[in-house]
Amino acid sequence: KQEVTQIPAALSVPEGENLVLNCSFTDSAIYNLQWFRQDPGKGLTSLLLIQSSQREQTSGRLNASLDKSSGRSTLYIAASQPGDSATYLCAVRRVGETSGSRLTFGEGTQLTVNP
Amino acid sequence: DTAVSQTPKYLVTQMGNDKSIKCEQNLGHDTMYWYKQDSKKFLKIMFSYNNKELIINETVPNRFSPKSPDKAHLNLHINSLELGDSAVYFCASSLWTAMYNSPLHFGNGTRLTVT
Repeated sequence: KQEVTQIPAALSVPEGENLVLNCSFTDSAIYNLQWFRQDPGKGLTSLLLIQSSQREQTSGRLNASLDKSSGRSTLYIAASQPGDSATYLCAVRRVGETSGSRLTFGEGTQLTVNP
Repeated sequence: DTAVSQTPKYLVTQMGNDKSIKCEQNLGHDTMYWYKQDSKKFLKIMFSYNNKELIINETVPNRFSPKSPDKAHLNLHINSLELGDSAVYFCASSLWTAMYNSPLHFGNGTRLTVT
């Protein structure tokens, strides 16, 4: 059974700081890993999707890395801004699913960037 | 031009009632999902439909019945509501043909409160 863990559960940083969010998963047989952002009262916004054959993906100030063999992914946010405050979730899509495309989510890291 | 839209946004009802949540997507996707987010913010899949056909049915009480009239709509009907059903319910969609590498697009959620 796939389990996804995110550390830390909450993080508070001053504006401008670079930061790293961590995600680990127990079963390395995955198709891909996806990072989402969730704002209060809103749905999830997909930030980055890394395929199992890739090592990293970049979008603007965001960089996500994937080390499938060790079951880890990191989301690096450069020059953080107050607008980055949100809950960040990682989710993995498992190999071997005979039907559907089930995502297994972590519990998220609640990020607060203080001006 | 909301991509995945759910109604209602908030739903407050009493135990024992029957209620429905509607979801529609205009992304041209053929696969839709219902996820449940509990009080600890943990997201877990409930159902998935591809082209109106049920392909994932997690261990969900049979009081929950999804209905997909067409591939752009996936509604969730809940009978005999219980206190433990209180949660935020998210609808999502993706492309089957790119299933394993198609990002999920989420709606903004429906916050269900059962009193």
